[in-house]
Amino acid sequence: NAGVTQTPKFRILKIGQSMTLQCTQDMNHNYMYWYRQDPGMGLKLIYYSVGAGITDKGEVPNGYNVSRSTTEDFPLRLELAAPSQTSVYFCASSELGQGSSEAFFGQGTRLTVV
Amino acid sequence: AQSVTQLDSHVSVSEGTPVLLRCNYSSSYSPSLFWYVQHPNKGLQLLLKYTSAATLVKGINGFEAEFKKSETSFHLTKPSAHMSDAAEYFCVVTRSYNTDKLIFGTGTRLQVFP
Repeated sequence: NAGVTQTPKFRILKIGQSMTLQCTQDMNHNYMYWYRQDPGMGLKLIYYSVGAGITDKGEVPNGYNVSRSTTEDFPLRLELAAPSQTSVYFCASSELGQGSSEAFFGQGTRLTVV
Repeated sequence: AQSVTQLDSHVSVSEGTPVLLRCNYSSSYSPSLFWYVQHPNKGLQLLLKYTSAATLVKGINGFEAEFKKSETSFHLTKPSAHMSDAAEYFCVVTRSYNTDKLIFGTGTRLQVFP
């Protein structure tokens, strides 16, 4: 059981480039989330989804887009990379909302924008 | 609005001595509270959670936490530290009836010396 899988693990982008961070879960969870983790700041919610076809903004959505065409996949898109988007990105999933059931996290994607 | 404050950014203990990681929360409603652990270069893993049942919550790896409403605290403890406990620990809150999103504290880095 792979759980939550994120790719790539590391990436360096130039300012203005775009990329997609991939996230797949094999637990048939309805809820999926994207967080960013900056040093000393904890995790901040970027976007989340409560099911296929449904997405909503979190605390820090600017500069990002998401889609949820299937239950398994929840990709995060950066259209015009900026240095402020240098961070570690975590994808997570849960069966119910995170207050009700355990959230399972991927191993993270370390992104550097130069 | 909900928030959590982790009172120590770093805690250092010797192996075999007790661990105390402090967390205070602010919530207008009955909260759900969690502790997550993040080992180096890994995703986050749930240690334990409080959801208005027993105030003393036992988690994995010998950790436990006590919910104290009068003190708005949810401190994490372990009687005897092990080298493998060295990691980053996050205290997390969510409103009990809005279960979509977690609010993370800034984290406490635990060092364990031999």
